[in-house]
Amino acid sequence: EVQLVESGGGLVQPGGSLRLSCAASGFIVSSNYISWVRQAPGKGLEWVSVIYSGGSAYYADSVKGRFITSRDNSKNTLYFQMNSLRPEDTAVYYCAREGPDGSYSHWGQGTLVTVSS
Amino acid sequence: DIVMTQTPLSSPVTLGQPASISCRSSQSLVHSDGNTYLSWLQQRPGQPPRLLIYKISKRFSGVPDRFSGSGAGTDFTLKISRVEADDVGVYSCMQTTHFPPTFGGGTKVEIK
Repeated sequence: EVQLVESGGGLVQPGGSLRLSCAASGFIVSSNYISWVRQAPGKGLEWVSVIYSGGSAYYADSVKGRFITSRDNSKNTLYFQMNSLRPEDTAVYYCAREGPDGSYSHWGQGTLVTVSS
Repeated sequence: DIVMTQTPLSSPVTLGQPASISCRSSQSLVHSDGNTYLSWLQQRPGQPPRLLIYKISKRFSGVPDRFSGSGAGTDFTLKISRVEADDVGVYSCMQTTHFPPTFGGGTKVEIK
């Protein structure tokens, strides 16, 4: 069974850092495209980043230069390093697996990041 | 970026009655490979998104056949043939034809 489990969210002050994890099971992370999608409280979904099977990562303009996506193939886990956090980064962060048909077929349960002083 | 516009914002529906949600993109979603990468997601209260429909009209594994998708180019529709209590939530369209992926703002389906 395909599963994605995020962790690492919490309360952080503006300018601070946080590292999210996305542990995968039922499939091989390094053979798939995995995206991070966030949802601010009461708002819609916003794509944030993707890491491709080849290892290339891309980012939304709103987080470029501040967030970094990486993965540990031995642990079948993705990481999302979030630096220079701003209040507008407050959201539930989901990792999602992209299928070959372009759909986001599997989602984690999400982890809440709150940026506030 | 491609802008995805959904209507209505909210859809109060009587149990057993149909519901319809529209999604319009700012550009054609036909990919150079001939496919149209338009999906529909369901988000029940307090839950993560769940894939319902992909490539306009293909139902994902385990999705009841009362959910159907249609459309082409820039105009797409999600229909629920007979709304059940379990269908309450927010429905969002999503495109992955163009980079970056973008989402509609969501339509809230609630029971009258």
